[in-house]
Amino acid sequence: DGGITQSPKYLFRKEGQNVTLSCEQNLNHDAMYWYRQDPGQGLRLIYYSQIVNDFQKGDIAEGYSVSREKKESFPLTVTSAQKNPTAFYLCASSIYGSVVGNQPQHFGDGTRLSIL
Amino acid sequence: AQSVTQLDSHVSVSEGTPVLLRCNYSSSYSPSLFWYVQHPNKGLQLLLKYTSAATLVKGINGFEAEFKKSETSFHLTKPSAHMSDAAEYFCVVSEGSSNTGKLIFGQGTTLQVKP
Repeated sequence: DGGITQSPKYLFRKEGQNVTLSCEQNLNHDAMYWYRQDPGQGLRLIYYSQIVNDFQKGDIAEGYSVSREKKESFPLTVTSAQKNPTAFYLCASSIYGSVVGNQPQHFGDGTRLSIL
Repeated sequence: AQSVTQLDSHVSVSEGTPVLLRCNYSSSYSPSLFWYVQHPNKGLQLLLKYTSAATLVKGINGFEAEFKKSETSFHLTKPSAHMSDAAEYFCVVSEGSSNTGKLIFGQGTTLQVKP
């Protein structure tokens, strides 16, 4: 079955440590996205990538980094510069093209990151 | 700029009664609108989408939504609630101006279904 796989499901970070969240999709989608979700809030966009080897900052990119070396993969690194990383992180993908605005995004099941 | 407002943060209904989740949007362009559902500790699942075709959109699990341009609304309804409908619901508008595929999310509405 096609879909998006996020791993791990739960992740703990120590002070001063960088951690990387994995996101893999086999939907052959061009675009991929990372969101942060905090309790009682909607989703906020961290980074997005419309094509391999290219990505753009979203609304809350500070303290995060990404790479897009393969179409299938879009890992997110939460760096030590992110002072409040505890949140639920969601990865999504969508078809990209001239009608991209009409395309829904497909989501993984998320990674819950907590501070030790 | 596009924005979306979900008018209720929490809605409680009894099983078998109708569901109404309200959403208003603001957009300078002809928007694409979506409703997503999220069960606890899960990702978001698409319920339905509006992309300038029929104004009454039917989705999965018996949900539907009506696009009303004059009221800038896109309310989600279901005739009869089921216990499994208890979840968080998000109204979403696409950022149509730059055509980046970016989505703008409402704050979410928690639907509680009582037996």
